[in-house]
Amino acid sequence: GAGVSQSPSNKVTEKGKDVELRCDPISGHTALYWYRQSLGQGLEFLIYFQGNSAPDKSGLPSDRFSAERTGGSVSTLTIQRTQQEDSAVYLCASSPRGHSNTGELFFGEGSRLTVL
Amino acid sequence: KNQVEQSPQSLIILEGKNCTLQCNYTVSPFSNLRWYKQDTGRGPVSLTIMTFSENTKSNGRYTATLDADTKQSSLHITASQLSDSASYICVVSEQAGTALIFGKGTTLSVSS
Repeated sequence: GAGVSQSPSNKVTEKGKDVELRCDPISGHTALYWYRQSLGQGLEFLIYFQGNSAPDKSGLPSDRFSAERTGGSVSTLTIQRTQQEDSAVYLCASSPRGHSNTGELFFGEGSRLTVL
Repeated sequence: KNQVEQSPQSLIILEGKNCTLQCNYTVSPFSNLRWYKQDTGRGPVSLTIMTFSENTKSNGRYTATLDADTKQSSLHITASQLSDSASYICVVSEQAGTALIFGKGTTLSVSS
C-alpha cells in the first residue's frame, strides 16, 4: 500500500491476555517508530528502529512491552499480561531517513487497544 | 527536562475566521520543529517542518513561525474551514538525538 498500515484497527482484550499489534511501514523507509496515545495526552514514545542499528527501547514502559522488526520491514509490538492502563491508541510511523535529519514521519491510523 | 507546551488547550472559532496556536519548548539544542494535524480517530499528518534557521514556513492556509531565540513557535490558520477541526500537535526533535518531544496538542473546533 501507499501508506503505513496498522492492524488490528481495534482490539478488545481481557486483563492478563497477551496482544500483538502489527505495523507495515512504507516500502523503503528505514526508520520505524511506535508511539502510545492515551486520551487527552500527547504521544508517548515507545521504541525506534533505524536500519540495522540496535533499536532505541528507552520508551518502553515495562518489560511486558516488546517489539520486533523483521527484515527491516514489518514490525510487531507485543504487550504481555495486559493491564487496564495499557488501554490506548498505539500509533506506528515510518520515515525515509529518520527524524534527526528532518526526515518526515508518516503515521498509520493506529490500533485502539481496550483492556477490560 | 525537555518539554513542549501548547496553548490554548482548546479553541472554538467560527468558519472563515483566522486563529493562531502557540508552542513553547525547552528542548535544547534542537534539530527541527514540526506541526502535525490529527483528525479524530486518525493518525497525525505533517503540516510543516522547520529547522532552527527557518523563521516561517507555509502550507496552504497554514503558516508556521519559529523564534529559536525565545524557543517559541506559532501556527496560524487563515480563513478557517470546518475541515480544520482537529488536534494540532507541536513536535520538537532533539539535535542529533533520537527523541521527538510531542506537545499535548490544541483541539480546534470550527463551527458554521
